[in-house]
Amino acid sequence: GAVVSQHPSWVICKSGTSVKIECRSLDFQATTMFWYRQFPKQSLMLMATSNEGSKATYEQGVEKDKFLINHASLTLSTLTVTSAHPEDSSFYICSARVGDRGPYEQYFGPGTRLTVT
Amino acid sequence: DAKTTQPTSMDCAEGRAANLPCNHSTISGNEYVYWYRQIHSQGPQYIIHGLKNNETNEMASLIITEDRKSSTLILPHATLRDTAVYYCIVRVSGNTPLVFGKGTRLSVIA
Repeated sequence: GAVVSQHPSWVICKSGTSVKIECRSLDFQATTMFWYRQFPKQSLMLMATSNEGSKATYEQGVEKDKFLINHASLTLSTLTVTSAHPEDSSFYICSARVGDRGPYEQYFGPGTRLTVT
Repeated sequence: DAKTTQPTSMDCAEGRAANLPCNHSTISGNEYVYWYRQIHSQGPQYIIHGLKNNETNEMASLIITEDRKSSTLILPHATLRDTAVYYCIVRVSGNTPLVFGKGTRLSVIA
């Protein structure tokens, strides 16, 4: 299957600082990428949909000014958590869509664990 | 909101077949059934998907009832490494992203 990578795999930052998470599709071009968040013992929650070259579409309740998403190329999307606070501590997972039509498959990165102290 | 209902947890003996059920009684004619799994602290892994015919790949088989209101994921010979949370998701093809429910926590026991 298609490979999606994330960097870093884990990060610890201080409250008030910003953190950038990278998501790359390694062996395919992804016109659409998705960002999810997962709190302990909970399911994945979709945060936003990112299309290459255009603004991301955020799910209801997700602050677009706090979670900045950039999808500047067909293989890279970034999520920046600005002015992070302890409640932003979570497991962030990106996903990329393979194909442009039909029942396309969606592949996931390994996730980034963010801890805000 | 998730459109599927799955048991919260299941156990399976190592080497036996694991049969994971999923109810999707409100599925529309153009919605596919997808199965993913998530091993602890990892990203979800694609397993299989189908529309109305049964499907099989190297990982699993997907059995969809004739009325498409339910399906079963079958892992033919479960191993300890199959211990994970399994998610059944229905979605139309195209641009819509996957929306995850609570899934079934499968524990494979030696």
